[in-house]
Amino acid sequence: DTGVSQDPRHKITKRGQNVTFRCDPISEHNRLYWYRQTLGQGPEFLTYFQNEAQLEKSRLLSDRFSAERPKGSFSTLEIQRTEQGDSAMYLCASSPSFTGYTFGSGTRLTVV
Amino acid sequence: QKEVEQNSGPLSVPEGAIASLNCTYSDRGSQSFFWYRQYSGKSPELIMSIYSNGDKEDGRFTAQLNKASQYVSLLIRDSQPSDSATYLCAVNSNAGGTSYGKLTFGQGTILTVHP
Repeated sequence: DTGVSQDPRHKITKRGQNVTFRCDPISEHNRLYWYRQTLGQGPEFLTYFQNEAQLEKSRLLSDRFSAERPKGSFSTLEIQRTEQGDSAMYLCASSPSFTGYTFGSGTRLTVV
Repeated sequence: QKEVEQNSGPLSVPEGAIASLNCTYSDRGSQSFFWYRQYSGKSPELIMSIYSNGDKEDGRFTAQLNKASQYVSLLIRDSQPSDSATYLCAVNSNAGGTSYGKLTFGQGTILTVHP
């Protein structure tokens, strides 16, 4: 058990490009969460998966954002037509139940 | 009013002192409360959880919860320079009856422990 793994650690992209991030949760954790954190703020909830089902989405998740968790294992978060306002740290967390969860190391996105 | 609000920082304390971090929340239906520590450039790390009124101690950390006042705090005793970080309060609210474990975070309080 190596914890929650996120890839890549850093991503620099030009405005308008599409990006995809990957999260590998702790094995057998059926709950998976995505958050976004901008400088000086706490993390903000984006979406939640229980197994392969996406059960909750924040209004922050505009139609440019899509998340998947095929087969209830790893998850991907895609941002289409990136904007400078998308620059942030994208955090993934997993949990077997709700007793507080562990975050991955995050993917820092910079849109130039 | 913000859903979760933390005392404004930054907070600076001398080594060995007690650091007190405070947090208030707006949703009376909140069930679970957490404190995360975040070092610069790193992801948040869970350090304390508390679910019922009163105090919960874990080493040098004590979390205090008062649901009637909608208040949760974190005390760090014998503060060390390595405790210097941003501390995030997080609340599992149950707005609408379905929370799925979603956490609402405060903006964080920066703590500096100086030798």
